[in-house]
Amino acid sequence: QVQLVQSGSELKKPGASVKVSCRASGYPFTTYAINWVRQAPGQGLEWMGWINTNTGTPTYAQGFTGRFVFFLDSSVSTAYLQISSLKAEDTAIYYCVRGGHHGDYLFAWGQGTLVTVSS
Amino acid sequence: DIQMTQSPPSLSASAGDRVTITCRASQGISNYVAWYQQKPGKVPNLLIYGASTLQSGVSSRFSGGGSGTDFTLTISSLQPEDVATYYCQNYVSAPRTFGQGTKVEI
Repeated sequence: QVQLVQSGSELKKPGASVKVSCRASGYPFTTYAINWVRQAPGQGLEWMGWINTNTGTPTYAQGFTGRFVFFLDSSVSTAYLQISSLKAEDTAIYYCVRGGHHGDYLFAWGQGTLVTVSS
Repeated sequence: DIQMTQSPPSLSASAGDRVTITCRASQGISNYVAWYQQKPGKVPNLLIYGASTLQSGVSSRFSGGGSGTDFTLTISSLQPEDVATYYCQNYVSAPRTFGQGTKVEI
C-alpha cells in the first residue's frame, strides 16, 4: 500500500537548519508529485508547495521562498524539505503528501514531523 | 491567488443531525475542490475530491457538491466519530490554498 514515512521530531535553535525526509513506498516514486504542508500549533493547514518527482522541479507558495528548499533523492524514493535560518515561527508540524490519481489533491499523507525552534 | 473561505468556523450539532459546511472560492475553479478531515491530534485524511467524488473507504454519510465558486460538504447523520476539523482546498492551480477550517463538535 502507499506509504509516506517521515523523519522524527526535531528540536533546533534559532538560526540553525533542519532537513525533514519523506520516504515513499508502494508505488512508482516518479509518478506522483510530493506536496509539503505546514501546520503551526493550533492552526490550520498551509500549502507550502510541491515538487515534480519526475523532473525534480520545485514550486513554492508565497511565504515559502528563500529559506525553504524541496529536493529529491529518487534512488531511495525520498523527498526532502530543508529549512535554513530557522525562526521561532517555523515551529510546526510539516507533512509530506502524495498527489492523487485523478488530480493534484492530497491523496496520501506522511505522519508529520514536528519541528520545534527554541533557544 | 485563489482564496478559499469556509463557513462556519465552528459548529456544534447533535448526533444524527445533518450538517453542511460551505466553501467559497474567490474565482471559478470548476470542480477542483477537495475536502479533508482532521481528527484531534491526527493526520488529515482525504474525504472528497473533484468536489463530489468520495474517496475509497470513506463513509457514505459524507457527500460533496458544487461547482465554480460555491461548494458544500454535508454529513448526512452526524456521528461521534465525525468530531474533527474539516478543510476545503482548491487544486486547480498553485498555490493550492486551503480554507480556514471548520471545527465540528457534538
